[in-house]
Amino acid sequence: DTAVSQTPKYLVTQMGNDKSIKCEQNLGHDTMYWYKQDSKKFLKIMFSYNNKELIINETVPNRFSPKSPDKAHLNLHINSLELGDSAVYFCASSRQPQKGNTIYFGEGSWLTVV
Amino acid sequence: GQQVMQIPQYQHVQEGEDFTTYCNSSTTLSNIQWYKQRPGGHPVFLIQLVKSGEVKKQKRLTFQFGEAKKNSSLHITATQTTDVGTYFCAGDTGGFKTIFGAGTRLFVKA
Repeated sequence: DTAVSQTPKYLVTQMGNDKSIKCEQNLGHDTMYWYKQDSKKFLKIMFSYNNKELIINETVPNRFSPKSPDKAHLNLHINSLELGDSAVYFCASSRQPQKGNTIYFGEGSWLTVV
Repeated sequence: GQQVMQIPQYQHVQEGEDFTTYCNSSTTLSNIQWYKQRPGGHPVFLIQLVKSGEVKKQKRLTFQFGEAKKNSSLHITATQTTDVGTYFCAGDTGGFKTIFGAGTRLFVKA
C-alpha cells in the first residue's frame, strides 16, 4: 500500500501544452505539499494545503494551479508548459506541522517539456 | 527570509571512509529532520532531532543538533556503497513551512 501516490510517474510533453499531476495520500494526514526538484537536486516547496486550505504559496508562476478536492488529494495543473518547467515534482504529506513535521514523499513525477 | 545552508554540495569518498554533512540555519529551529534520497528515488525520512544538543545514532549514522538549535550534522562512519545518495536536512520553525537544505550528494567508490 503506497502511502503517497502520484501519477503519472513520467510525462513528456510539448511546450505550450497543459498537463496535470494527481496525488493521493492514505496516511490520514492533514497537510499536503507540492515540491519541485530541479536538475541540481534543489528541493523547493511550491504549495502547501492544510485541510484543503492553501497555506503556502511560494513564488510560483500562476500557470501552476493546485487543487485540493479533499484533504487526501492534492492535484497540480500546469498551463502553457515551458522548457524551464522540466523537473521532478514531488507530492508529499505530513501531520499537523506544529506537532512535528515528518514529511512523506511520493515517488515523484518526472516532467520533461520539449 | 529563513534559510538553511548545507555543505558540502558534493562529497566523493572511498568505501570505508567517513562522511559528514553540515547544516546551518539563519534562525532557531524547533526541530530538524534528515532525509535521504537514493539516485532516481524520492526523499525518505531518516530522523528528527528536537532537543538542544541532542545526539542520535542509527547504526553507522550519527546525527547531532547544536546547542543553539541552529545547526546540525550527519556523520556516516565507514561508508558503504549503499550509502550513495543525496542527504537533505530540513529545518522547521514550528510553522507550516519546512525549509530544506540544498542537499549533499554522496558518491562512494568501491
